[in-house]
Amino acid sequence: GAGVSQSPSNKVTEKGKDVELRCDPISGHTALYWYRQSLGQGLEFLIYFQGNSAPDKSGLPSDRFSAERTGGSVSTLTIQRTQQEDSAVYLCASSLYLPNIGQYFGPGTRLTVT
Amino acid sequence: QKEVEQDPGPLSVPEGAIVSLNCTYSNSAFQYFMWYRQYSRKGPELLMYTYSSGNKEDGRFTAQVDKSSKYISLFIRDSQPSDSATYLCAMSKVGTYKYIFGTGTRLKVLA
Repeated sequence: GAGVSQSPSNKVTEKGKDVELRCDPISGHTALYWYRQSLGQGLEFLIYFQGNSAPDKSGLPSDRFSAERTGGSVSTLTIQRTQQEDSAVYLCASSLYLPNIGQYFGPGTRLTVT
Repeated sequence: QKEVEQDPGPLSVPEGAIVSLNCTYSNSAFQYFMWYRQYSRKGPELLMYTYSSGNKEDGRFTAQVDKSSKYISLFIRDSQPSDSATYLCAMSKVGTYKYIFGTGTRLKVLA
């Protein structure tokens, strides 16, 4: 079946511009995560959605970052006024409600801020 | 001190070797342990998960958890060049959806 998909796969933007990253989770997966992966760093948790519950935004690094999930499916991560330190790979993952058996990741969006 | 420590490597081995990849952790509340494989420019792929202590085997892969030592391992038997990737460990507590990831170990299997 179809896995997690993300778009775009690569995004180059100028400092100060806004970007939107999209994630389409596996059908039937109620949990959705966004992570950031920088070179030599582990996966940094950003935000978590579970069904219709309020999202856990505790990992968002600043108020320039926001995310939404429409209809319990597709999610969009928005970064406003991008900075060079935002350059990273942004990964989306989904899982069943019981997440402890693991998550399924998309291919990621490589963001470069020039 | 990070909650999860993982040697970044790179670890280079000849084809056919047994590979041992390891993570240590500091939080005794972790009960679920996972291993992911990540090829270059791809997302992590779930390889194995285990609950609490013990071993789990799947083909050429064996995951081992030693909670008394706060140490987990992934063994790869008969390693192949296609196993060349970065291996990430991850762990979580009961009743939480948050995972803590290691930084990953880069493995190179030489033909």
